[in-house]
Amino acid sequence: GEDVEQSLFLSVREGDSSVINCTYTDSSSTYLYWYKQEPGAGLQLLTYIFSNMDMKQDQRLTVLLNKKDKHLSLRIADTQTGDSAIYFCAESCMNNNAGNMLTFGGGTRLMVKP
Amino acid sequence: DTAVSQTPKYLVTQMGNDKSIKCEQNLGHDTMYWYKQDSKKFLKIMFSYNNKELIINETVPNRFSPKSPDKAHLNLHINSLELGDSAVYFCASSPQRGSGFFSSYNEQFFGPGTRLTVL
Repeated sequence: GEDVEQSLFLSVREGDSSVINCTYTDSSSTYLYWYKQEPGAGLQLLTYIFSNMDMKQDQRLTVLLNKKDKHLSLRIADTQTGDSAIYFCAESCMNNNAGNMLTFGGGTRLMVKP
Repeated sequence: DTAVSQTPKYLVTQMGNDKSIKCEQNLGHDTMYWYKQDSKKFLKIMFSYNNKELIINETVPNRFSPKSPDKAHLNLHINSLELGDSAVYFCASSPQRGSGFFSSYNEQFFGPGTRLTVL
């Protein structure tokens, strides 16, 4: 079955870049996503990338996809204290027609120190 | 104009009780979901539902049942609550998928969560 893995924790200083990594196993993934969960709140979609792309940039966010290695990363430039949250990667697959389900990683807790 | 709302936000109850959590979305979406997030923040899909099919994660005990009175609501009923049911439960929704190769794009909109504590 599908498996999505992330490191549990990342700590950076304010102003530095953060890089959150994710690996997945399902080669039929067509979309990969990054969701952000702030304390006491639900998940919110930050960005996504289609599998035929290897990079996507959106302001301070850069998503890199290495489809050969099944590796996804999220880079946050000039990290701010407001970026402190849990970041989840997720995938959806073309062959997963049952129920539109996403497979989420375990989440990476980003702590930004002033 | 909350997109996906859940009630209650907090629920504290005794073992053995039966409880419900309500979810409503005003986005006009066709598919709704329930997720369970444990104390380690792992997020597990429980159900996916639209007006055509209910997909149940086979690991979910049959004490849990979703009920959808209409397209905008998907409530979660839990019978005979156990200590291990303590978690945060999130409702989510997504629009109907398109067709073809792009059909698997699935942006989900999450509710704020319901923290369930079973004593």
